[in-house]
Amino acid sequence: GAVVSQHPSWVICKSGTSVKIECRSLDFQATTMFWYRQFPKQSLMLMATSNEGSKATYEQGVEKDKFLINHASLTLSTLTVTSAHPEDSSFYICSAIRTSGRTQETQYFGPGTRLLVL
Amino acid sequence: AQSVAQPEDQVNVAEGNPLTVKCTYSVSGNPYLFWYVQYPNRGLQFLLKYITGDNLVKGSYGFEAEFNKSQTSFHLKKPSALVSDSALYFCAADTGFQKLVFGTGTRLLVSP
Repeated sequence: GAVVSQHPSWVICKSGTSVKIECRSLDFQATTMFWYRQFPKQSLMLMATSNEGSKATYEQGVEKDKFLINHASLTLSTLTVTSAHPEDSSFYICSAIRTSGRTQETQYFGPGTRLLVL
Repeated sequence: AQSVAQPEDQVNVAEGNPLTVKCTYSVSGNPYLFWYVQYPNRGLQFLLKYITGDNLVKGSYGFEAEFNKSQTSFHLKKPSALVSDSALYFCAADTGFQKLVFGTGTRLLVSP
């Protein structure tokens, strides 16, 4: 159990276009999902917290109009990179927490989506 | 600022030997602590976590971690390394509301 998928696994797009990345919890419900960004040979940086049915909470320095997050159901959160530019090229990883009401639930991570903006 | 430090960029160990990957944290309160492993071009895979209780936590694939409150450390250990353990390891701390702050990662290279 506790499988998280992401789609697509990689995407190449032209500068100025928008790209949508999906994060799904396959075998559990997730009230909360997180979106991270990882640069080459660096650690994960939390971008935003996605809560089902409410607006996402963004970390300081992350543009909410640039990175649109929608958490429309208990198993799906989407990240849309709007008007992508080469500096948005990165590895985007989501994670999900099982809905249980406990405070010490483990985050389960998706396999990541590699975005390359030309 | 709350942070997690992994002082070693890379750890080299021969197969069959014990391994240790170091982690220290600077987070207020009594944070939950985690170890994750990442294989190339993949997401993070959960290894183990410390919530409370016994300072020695056992996890997946024979890994364990030792929590030391006085030293604010949470080192990852394995008694006998395998070549297949070669990967990137991340230590993380829950800073509250289940937000994780990650260390910079340590690359483990196990030689045959």
